[in-house]
Amino acid sequence: GEDVEQSLFLSVREGDSSVINCTYTDSSSTYLYWYKQEPGAGLQLLTYIFSNMDMKQDQRLTVLLNKKDKHLSLRIADTQTGDSAIYFCAETALGNEKLTFGTGTRLTIIP
Amino acid sequence: NAGVTQTPKFQVLKTGQSMTLQCAQDMNHNSMYWYRQDPGMGLRLIYYSASEGTTDKGEVPNGYNVSRLNKREFSLRLESAAPSQTSVYFCASSEVSGSHNEQFFGPGTRLTVL
Repeated sequence: GEDVEQSLFLSVREGDSSVINCTYTDSSSTYLYWYKQEPGAGLQLLTYIFSNMDMKQDQRLTVLLNKKDKHLSLRIADTQTGDSAIYFCAETALGNEKLTFGTGTRLTIIP
Repeated sequence: NAGVTQTPKFQVLKTGQSMTLQCAQDMNHNSMYWYRQDPGMGLRLIYYSASEGTTDKGEVPNGYNVSRLNKREFSLRLESAAPSQTSVYFCASSEVSGSHNEQFFGPGTRLTVL
């Protein structure tokens, strides 16, 4: 079945850029998503990218997709304390509308 | 709009007790989902409902049942709770378009089974 992998932890100094990485196995993935989960809350969609795109930028967020290597990344510029959260990568595929989630990466900001 | 609401927020059960987790959405979405979140394991799909009147098993359905009561409401029932069901449970809803599935999540129910 499909598999989505992320590293569990990332620490970044306030003001630096954060890069959260994700790899997936399903070659028929169509949409890839980044969700943010703040402490004690549900998940909120941050951004998504369609599989025929290489990059998508939205203010401080940049998503890069390498379809050949099945690698997705989320870059957060000028990381702030409010960016502390767990970030989940997820994907859907043709014929499979259900989301497959990664394990989540806990981003910690060092003052 | 309230979005996706879940009740209760917290619950403690003893092994063998039963309970129902409630979920409602006011976005007129066709699809609804139940997930559990455990440390280091991400979100795992328990059951989903692609439309009113249909339900299907997800990745980890054992020990759970669901009811899609109407388009708005999707409940999750634990008939005989076990300590392995200690987890945070999330309900979500979406309107699937092609394979684009932007899901909206509730705030979660934190369940402890002793």
